[in-house]
Amino acid sequence: GAVVSQHPSWVICKSGTSVKIECRSLDFQATTMFWYRQFPKQSLMLMATSNEGSKATYEQGVEKDKFLINHASLTLSTLTVTSAHPEDSSFYICSARTDSSPYYEQYFGPGTRLTVT
Amino acid sequence: GDSVTQMEGPVTLSEEAFLTINCTYTATGYPSLFWYVQYPGEGLQLLLKATKADDKGSNKGFEATYRKETTSFHLEKGSVQVSDSAVYFCALSYGNQFYFGTGTSLTVIP
Repeated sequence: GAVVSQHPSWVICKSGTSVKIECRSLDFQATTMFWYRQFPKQSLMLMATSNEGSKATYEQGVEKDKFLINHASLTLSTLTVTSAHPEDSSFYICSARTDSSPYYEQYFGPGTRLTVT
Repeated sequence: GDSVTQMEGPVTLSEEAFLTINCTYTATGYPSLFWYVQYPGEGLQLLLKATKADDKGSNKGFEATYRKETTSFHLEKGSVQVSDSAVYFCALSYGNQFYFGTGTSLTVIP
């Protein structure tokens, strides 16, 4: 089946620094990738949708200058948390789909745990 | 707005016990409904789906029926196994937009 990986699986960074999270589709071309955020005991919240080669579409309330998303190729999307603060600590999950598959077939990565100290 | 509410966990069951995880939804239209499962260290995987009222989704012994009258999509399994230990997410979708529940952690003990 389709596999999506994320790197790193966990990261600790200091307040004020930036951290980049990678999301890769390993065995298929992902025309669309999604970034979610999950707080403890809360549901996944969609942050943004990105299509290869175009700018990401951010959900209401998500700061696009803080959460930079790049989808430069059909197999890689990156999320950069800039000037991280402790309130950015969360679990970030990406998913990917292709245009040729049903809209509900999103393949999820295992997630990245970010802790900002 | 659209949302999903699922029962809080954690849930601990003995092997071969009956499982029910409740899920109700609020939606303005007619969404598709899903159950996803996340095994430790892995990404979410689609477990089953139902795209219209009265549809029953089933997979790996799990079942859920799309009940429009009660706005519910409860997950059931007649006899759980240790390998079913995971976190289960109920979700609804219109097109690309997904709304997830908070997840229910299930632990099955031998």
